[in-house]
Amino acid sequence: KAGVTQTPRYLIKTRGQQVTLSCSPISGHRSVSWYQQTPGQGLQFLFEYFSETQRNKGNFPGRFSGRQFSNSRSEMNVSTLELGDSALYLCASSPRTSGSHNEQFFGPGTRLTVL
Amino acid sequence: ILNVEQSPQSLHVQEGDSTNFTCSFPSSNFYALHWYRWETAKSPEALFVMTLNGDEKKKGRISATLNTKEGYSYLYIKGSQPEDSATYLCASSNTGNQFYFGTGTSLTVIP
Repeated sequence: KAGVTQTPRYLIKTRGQQVTLSCSPISGHRSVSWYQQTPGQGLQFLFEYFSETQRNKGNFPGRFSGRQFSNSRSEMNVSTLELGDSALYLCASSPRTSGSHNEQFFGPGTRLTVL
Repeated sequence: ILNVEQSPQSLHVQEGDSTNFTCSFPSSNFYALHWYRWETAKSPEALFVMTLNGDEKKKGRISATLNTKEGYSYLYIKGSQPEDSATYLCASSNTGNQFYFGTGTSLTVIP
């Protein structure tokens, strides 16, 4: 099975712009979660999508949004970028079925730099 | 404990040494404890998931234990090798599939 893929891997934007990141989960996985990692911080949970619906949301401003398509692929959008949004953004897919212990499988991440 | 905490933050050991890290997590609303190994420029790789108090898991030279009553887990590496150098993350998940990650322990194994 192919792993979780994320595109693009690297991105440079300027303040005020918006950005869209993409995540393709492992085939058969219906849950996609997004995380932000900045230096010195653990992975901060952004949101989770399951069956095209946002199921959980972390403590991030409304500039951060996402969606999930019928094929389980997910996109994350950040509007009005700020310097502090520079981070590694990881997505993780999960089968989210009973007995799976909610295991999450991570993609390689998108490194976003805001200038 | 409100957050998932890991200690130490970083660790340097000699090749062949055994080592261990600690993960502390809130006991309330706990569902599972996850350990990941994250090498630079790669994806975090799942090592173990444990749910029951007293669980012990082993994969080669790496093992982990879980104490849900007191809210901690240990990860052990026996006979560290340079290829074990990585950041080791733990995360606590609840029944709502929300994951709470620690900041990780960075391990460097010196040949």
